[in-house]
Amino acid sequence: DTEVTQTPKHLVMGMTNKKSLKCEQHMGHRAMYWYKQKAKKPPELMFVYSYEKLSINESVPSRFSPECPNSSLLNLHLHALQPEDSALYLCASSQTGNYGYTFGSGTRLTVV
Amino acid sequence: DQQVKQNSPSLSVQEGRISILNCDYTNSMFDYFLWYKKYPAEGPTFLISISSIKDKNEDGRFTVFLNKSAKHLSLHIVPSQPGDSAVYFCAAYRGGTSGTYKYIFGTGTRLKVLA
Repeated sequence: DTEVTQTPKHLVMGMTNKKSLKCEQHMGHRAMYWYKQKAKKPPELMFVYSYEKLSINESVPSRFSPECPNSSLLNLHLHALQPEDSALYLCASSQTGNYGYTFGSGTRLTVV
Repeated sequence: DQQVKQNSPSLSVQEGRISILNCDYTNSMFDYFLWYKKYPAEGPTFLISISSIKDKNEDGRFTVFLNKSAKHLSLHIVPSQPGDSAVYFCAAYRGGTSGTYKYIFGTGTRLKVLA
């Protein structure tokens, strides 16, 4: 298995909803990442997990809450989002010390 | 402040010819540089990387060149194939902790290889 799987592929949520994005990999990678990509812009790093511990938080608002329950799973919990949070959310993983990431196909999130 | 830039939003090349994609950066502290390819509705796919202590890395049809003095890197694809048509992102990495850690993507170049 050489893939990063993200679910759901599309999500529409209201500003008062609580939802979660899920990411799964079975490549034995111990580093996992969340990125946000707006239309016609490059992906921007949000969080880095290394050995299931949050190691990097790029000053992301607290309405985004990451969680790494085990070495294969990464969640992003969403609460009270704003319409400007609508974007493609990408999950990635890598071997620690390997800088080429394996990305999932992303979750396209629309906040209404 | 865009620390990694790709000044050409698009590039068209004839099949079999060389494609050259360019990337400029402003921070001399990056440790690694990488190239990714992205098809529509998919996440980026890692292609090739180069350490900041090297000036060239080759993998099959893909070669990355790094000019540290000019803060410039380029990706050469030879020969170009129609399946190479995609958006190409360069990325720059610097290790560290929150505040110093960097993994920054460029703005992307859409490559179209014409059959």
